[in-house]
Amino acid sequence: SSELTQDPVVSVALGQTVSIRCQGDSLRRYSASWYQQKAGEAPTLVISSKDNRPSGIPDRFSGSGSGNTASLTITGAQAEDEADYYCIARDNSADQLIFGGGTKLTVL
Amino acid sequence: QAHLVQSGAEVKKPGASVRVSCQASGYDFTTSYIHWVRQAPGQGLEWVGLINPFYGHTNYVQKLQGRVTLTRDTSTKTAHMELTGLTSEDTAIYYCARGYLEYFWDWGQGTLVTVSS
Repeated sequence: SSELTQDPVVSVALGQTVSIRCQGDSLRRYSASWYQQKAGEAPTLVISSKDNRPSGIPDRFSGSGSGNTASLTITGAQAEDEADYYCIARDNSADQLIFGGGTKLTVL
Repeated sequence: QAHLVQSGAEVKKPGASVRVSCQASGYDFTTSYIHWVRQAPGQGLEWVGLINPFYGHTNYVQKLQGRVTLTRDTSTKTAHMELTGLTSEDTAIYYCARGYLEYFWDWGQGTLVTVSS
């Protein structure tokens, strides 16, 4: 089975732009989606199928992807964006989903 | 407004089995996949598997195949996850979530399963 790799920790200054990366071979074939998880809560979908933002998600969140890398970008990070972020995509066998290891975002 | 309500916390001994339920309301139960995801204490998210409530077809994560079984009861709009041969490594919060094949957007509140002797 394939893996999705994320940087464990990323920090950003308040109001600045930050990108969180997810890398894996399966991303050459399949789109990634992204979840935000705040402490003690269930995850929330913030980006689906590479670059679609569900209703209710602020437009400062955007997604993109190229080659074996998917990215979640927060333009103008807010204090409330401090959370863990996970990518998810199909693995190369296509019959399973895999999560990345997660990125802890700190807003300074 | 879709809503998924899960059964309560469980404490099990090693080697035992656990069954977690997820009751859906507010949408047509048979038109969305139900996924199961778990999260061990202080760890990341792990996809466990999915069930197509209309047909009953299932897919499981390879590492749990043979120990996990997903079922559904369309009459009660409830999905179930059974995990057998529990070890301490199965201690986690188990979530159900509804969505498409590749992602999901409505989550249950989570069920803590603790495996301890």
